[in-house]
Formats: sequence, structure tokens, C-alpha cells
Amino acid sequence: GDSVTQMEGPVTLSEEAFLTINCTYTATGYPSLFWYVQYPGEGLQLLLKATKADDKGSNKGFEATYRKETTSFHLEKGSVQVSDSAVYFCALRNTGNQFYFGTGTSLTVIP
Amino acid sequence: SQTIHQWPATLVQPVGSPLSLECTVEGTSNPNLYWYRQAAGRGLQLLFYSVGIGQISSEVPQNLSASRPQDRQFILSSKKLLLSDSGFYLCAWSPHSREQYFGPGTRLTVT
Repeated sequence: GDSVTQMEGPVTLSEEAFLTINCTYTATGYPSLFWYVQYPGEGLQLLLKATKADDKGSNKGFEATYRKETTSFHLEKGSVQVSDSAVYFCALRNTGNQFYFGTGTSLTVIP
Repeated sequence: SQTIHQWPATLVQPVGSPLSLECTVEGTSNPNLYWYRQAAGRGLQLLFYSVGIGQISSEVPQNLSASRPQDRQFILSSKKLLLSDSGFYLCAWSPHSREQYFGPGTRLTVT
């Protein structure tokens, strides 16, 4: 069945460090891919999305590129800030309109 | 613009008591609606989803139930809560063939 696998956390970085959170997926057809962010005590917020191969989603300095050949959608940011501390979820929507989420990666950025 | 509301924000209930959590969406019609549970420090577990009034699909057998009495209203219920029902409950909506948008969540503690 369809699934999403993302890197285990927690991840701790110093401010201004480079961030990569790996995400790979298994799906038939051509799923849409998403990254969500969850701040403590809140719901998930859509961070970025990509709907077809080679699309790059970007928002708030975060980027992810839909790589069909490696079935990946890794999240990157060039310079993290303390305010980026949160849990990040990779997700897909398959052609049957079903959603699958990764288990989440906790990021802590220290000053 | 569309907004999603959940209430209550927090709830403390004794074991064996009933539960009713409500979710409403504004600014759209005929959305897909979802209930998720998030245990502490863990990922999302899809509980129910609905593609229309009175149409509910259950993903996990348990003592919870869901109803959709109106197009933009989704209710999560239980007749008798268990300790294991504690968690963070998230409602989400999705335009058809698009991404999901999440509500602020309800923190349920069963004592």
C-alpha cells in the first residue's frame, strides 16, 4: 500500500544551520506531496506542496522538490531560525484522494 | 476564505463518560472531512473520513463514532471513554483532489 517514510528525530540544530529532513514515499500513479508543520499545542499547517514530478514547493525559506526517480520529497532550508522549532510532517495524497502522513520529525533550533 | 473550528480546545473527562467533539468548516461547500488522533509525541492516526452528509468511513475499530449531520459539521463521539482515548484530536477538511487543512485541535485527557 501507499506510505510515507521520513527521517527519525529529534533533530537539533544551531541557528543559521542548514536543514534537511528526508522523506520518501511509496505510491502507485502520481501522488501529490506535502510538508506540514505543527507548532506545540496547535494543529498542522500546510507548509508547501508539489503536485507533479520535478515541481519545487517553497514557502518561508523552506523548499522541497518532487523527485519521482528517487520517490523523494526532502525538506530543506538554508538557514534555520529559533522560530522554526516545530514538528514537520511529510504527506502524500494518492490518486484515490487518500492521505498518508509520515510519523513526524521534531526540530529544535538553539540560539 | 475558508476557516475550520474545533471545540472544545481542551477537555478532561472521567473514564466511562460520554464524549462529543465538534468541528465546523466555513466558506466552502461539500468538503471532505477527517478526524485524526495524535498520541503524545507520535504521528497522526486517521479515525474517520466523510465525503458527504451521512457518509462516514471508519479506519480503525474502536469505541469512537463519527457523524456528519450537516454539510460542514463533523462530530466525534463516544458513549464510554477509555483511558486510551486520551490524545490530541484534529479535524481536517479538504477540497476535492486538493490538500488538507487542519483545525486547532482538542486536547482530551481521560482520567
